Amino acid sequence: DQQVKQNSPSLSVQEGRISILNCDYTNSMFDYFLWYKKYPAEGPTFLISISSIKDKNEDGRFTVFLNKSAKHLSLHIVPSQPGDSAVYFCAASARKSGGSNYKLTFGKGTLLTVNP
Amino acid sequence: DVKVTQSSRYLVKRTGEKVFLECVQDMDHENMFWYRQDPGLGLRLIYFSYDVKMKEKGDIPEGYSVSREKKERFSLILESASTNQTSMYLCASSLSTSGRAGDTQYFGPGTRLTVL
Repeated sequence: DQQVKQNSPSLSVQEGRISILNCDYTNSMFDYFLWYKKYPAEGPTFLISISSIKDKNEDGRFTVFLNKSAKHLSLHIVPSQPGDSAVYFCAASARKSGGSNYKLTFGKGTLLTVNP
Repeated sequence: DVKVTQSSRYLVKRTGEKVFLECVQDMDHENMFWYRQDPGLGLRLIYFSYDVKMKEKGDIPEGYSVSREKKERFSLILESASTNQTSMYLCASSLSTSGRAGDTQYFGPGTRLTVL
């Protein structure tokens, strides 16, 4: 059962425009969400995160929006640049009561292509 | 700066061979993880460790084992490599903390393993 879903395997946008990557989750215990970016033949790199107590978090060109009632989050990249072309993974975690949490649940990823 | 290294970027092995993949982190992180990434399947957790000599199965542990003798080092072992274990293997680490910053995992560059 896929608890974190990225329904679009790929997305293509023009340089300078907005890229919107979407992610849905089913587990209501998830309360912390992360986005990772991955270039071919490299490991994923952490981009941005958001806690469920917020509905928006911004870092430069990257903004993550969280809609808890819809169990949906999105990553906005404005303006998009050719160097943003990569696979983007959404991930989620649930806080264990009384201790640290270890695991992230990842979506299958969305390949973003930014055309010059 | 956060640093996770993996012993090999590319590896070619024969069916039936015993394969060792090594991962080292220099951030004094308690938690370490092994994933494999396959096209269309995203990142799947094989094993993780939350302390020296401690390990837990992830989602796809069959055919793999792990070893964590020192805090900074986490090894993935393929006891008898098979062609369906051809994949990109990714190691990650994270800090145990009561804050959510500990949920962020930092990845190594990956090992592309081909089993012939």
